[in-house]
Amino acid sequence: DGGITQSPKYLFRKEGQNVTLSCEQNLNHDAMYWYRQDPGQGLRLIYYSQIVNDFQKGDIAEGYSVSREKKESFPLTVTSAQKNPTAFYLCASSIGIGLSYNEQFFGPGTRLTVL
Amino acid sequence: AQSVTQPDIHITVSEGASLELRCNYSYGATPYLFWYVQSPGQGLQLLLKYFSGDTLVQGIKGFEAEFKRSQSSFNLRKPSVHWSDAAEYFCAVGWGAQKLVFGQGTRLTINP
Repeated sequence: DGGITQSPKYLFRKEGQNVTLSCEQNLNHDAMYWYRQDPGQGLRLIYYSQIVNDFQKGDIAEGYSVSREKKESFPLTVTSAQKNPTAFYLCASSIGIGLSYNEQFFGPGTRLTVL
Repeated sequence: AQSVTQPDIHITVSEGASLELRCNYSYGATPYLFWYVQSPGQGLQLLLKYFSGDTLVQGIKGFEAEFKRSQSSFNLRKPSVHWSDAAEYFCAVGWGAQKLVFGQGTRLTINP
């Protein structure tokens, strides 16, 4: 079945540690996205990538980093510089950003808790 | 900047009653419009989308939405809700080559 997988589902981190969230898609989509979701704030875009080896900052990129070495994979690193990293993180993909059919498909999410 | 507003943070309806969730967006070029649903602790699932043509669109799970250009709105409706419809609903809007903008979400509670 085609889709997006995120791992792990739950992640605990100590303050001062970096942590990497995994996102893989087998939909052959060019574009991939990372969102952060906090209660009552909807989805906020962290980073997005339209093509391999290229990515752009979203609205709240500070304290996060990404890479896009393969079309299928778009890992997100939450660094120690992120002041309030406890949140639900969603990965998504779409055929492309600038195309009409930019419907986004979402993974199941990773809940990150900083202890 | 373009914006999307879902005026209702939380709505409670009785099972079997009709439902309307509101979505308004800031004025711009013809938008691409989406409604997503999210169950607790899960990702988002697409309910329906509008790109062009008939302004009344049908989606999955018995939902429909109507695009009203004059009101910059794309409200989601369902004639009779089921307990399984309890979830959070997000409206999202795209303009041309720009990124999708999501509303803040409406949490739906169903009374038995």
